[in-house]
Amino acid sequence: DSGVTQTPKHLITATGQRVTLRCSPRSGDLSVYWYQQSLDQGLQFLIQYYNGEERAKGNILERFSAQQFPDLHSELNLSSLELGDSALYFCASSALLGSNTGELFFGEGSRLTVL
Amino acid sequence: TQLLEQSPQFLSIQEGENLTVYCNSSSVFSSLQWYRQEPGEGPVLLVTVVTGGEVKKLKRLTFQFGDARKDSSLHITAAQPGDTGLYLCAGARNSGYALNFGKGTSLLVTP
Repeated sequence: DSGVTQTPKHLITATGQRVTLRCSPRSGDLSVYWYQQSLDQGLQFLIQYYNGEERAKGNILERFSAQQFPDLHSELNLSSLELGDSALYFCASSALLGSNTGELFFGEGSRLTVL
Repeated sequence: TQLLEQSPQFLSIQEGENLTVYCNSSSVFSSLQWYRQEPGEGPVLLVTVVTGGEVKKLKRLTFQFGDARKDSSLHITAAQPGDTGLYLCAGARNSGYALNFGKGTSLLVTP
């Protein structure tokens, strides 16, 4: 158990819809990262928050947004969903601002299926 | 374009065999990490290498960071079925930046 909690574990929805994925980081971790994993693209970095502020952006689409709340939990909002958005979405947390030397602790992921 | 290229993509071997997987890039990294991911779970950190030329051993796993800090390898001796999983390398080019992951090497070890 990594200590990172993600909900929901599975989500099936239709194209054009909007969903929200939730993440509770490990106790004490200030950094939260969102990654998207698909078979063809692998694990792609989407966005990072540190103590409530956006710190880095990766390959995140404009239809996607995220935020980190004062209690440090984070939400990833995916809107106008397309078939290609079907993937595993992982949240990870770390104690450090940067993830290059500190360990990332991953949740079990949220599997999104868009029909 | 993938920042980190891993090879091979898939590897199926029998228990007891040795194997090496590679992680290559044209970019220099301040550090490189290896993770293992099992089905239905998130990746779990195996090791972090920081210094060029560094070699780290974790039981039957040996990790090496290239001298130029652009590549890394993972060698498994006498593989066991419990080693089955997706092996991911990840690197950050500068301190404070988020990790970029390779696509991974999917390893299957059969008894």
